[in-house]
Amino acid sequence: NAGVTQTPKFQVLKTGQSMTLQCAQDMNHEYMSWYRQDPGMGLRLIHYSVGAGITDQGEVPNGYNVSRSTTEDFPLRLLSAAPSQTSVYFCASSLSGQRSGNTIYFGEGSWLTVV
Amino acid sequence: TQLLEQSPQFLSIQEGENLTVYCNSSSVFSSLQWYRQEPGEGPVLLVTVVTGGEVKKLKRLTFQFGDARKDSSLHITAAQPGDTGLYLCAASTGTASKLTFGTGTRLQVTL
Repeated sequence: NAGVTQTPKFQVLKTGQSMTLQCAQDMNHEYMSWYRQDPGMGLRLIHYSVGAGITDQGEVPNGYNVSRSTTEDFPLRLLSAAPSQTSVYFCASSLSGQRSGNTIYFGEGSWLTVV
Repeated sequence: TQLLEQSPQFLSIQEGENLTVYCNSSSVFSSLQWYRQEPGEGPVLLVTVVTGGEVKKLKRLTFQFGDARKDSSLHITAAQPGDTGLYLCAASTGTASKLTFGTGTRLQVTL
């Protein structure tokens, strides 16, 4: 039972480089999201999607792009990495984004360092 | 932007002690969730509360949603080393699409 799978687990980038964090879920969930976690700031929502073909911005979307071409996959793209994007990134999914109280399943995280 | 404040930020206690973690806001929420996160892993849902005044128990953990649905507490009875981790509250005003997380309480339980 894979659940939410994120790759890579660790990545070091140089300032200005681009990269994509991959996220896949095998639970047929409609809702997927990306968060970043920084010390003392909890998890902050970057982008989310309520279904294939639909994405929207969260609290801290600048510098990131997403797409949702399939139900299963929700990649997060860093367009031009900056040191401020050094963080731990979590992908999450739930059955529906339209009801509060749904169980949200998180991936194991991707540790990104931008030098 | 909703603001969820958790207290305390850090808590170090000995096995067998009781503790309470608080999650407060000035906003009214439709639901509130508590998560536990262990090092190197993603948060794992412990409980969801949706009704003002609701109390839920999960073994030695007791969760309460405030009457006005602006605050919540997590009480652990007779803490064990396995309770060690980062405890996060998260709340939404309507849908899971706009879930706001608190800053977390890092709990360490020693023998």
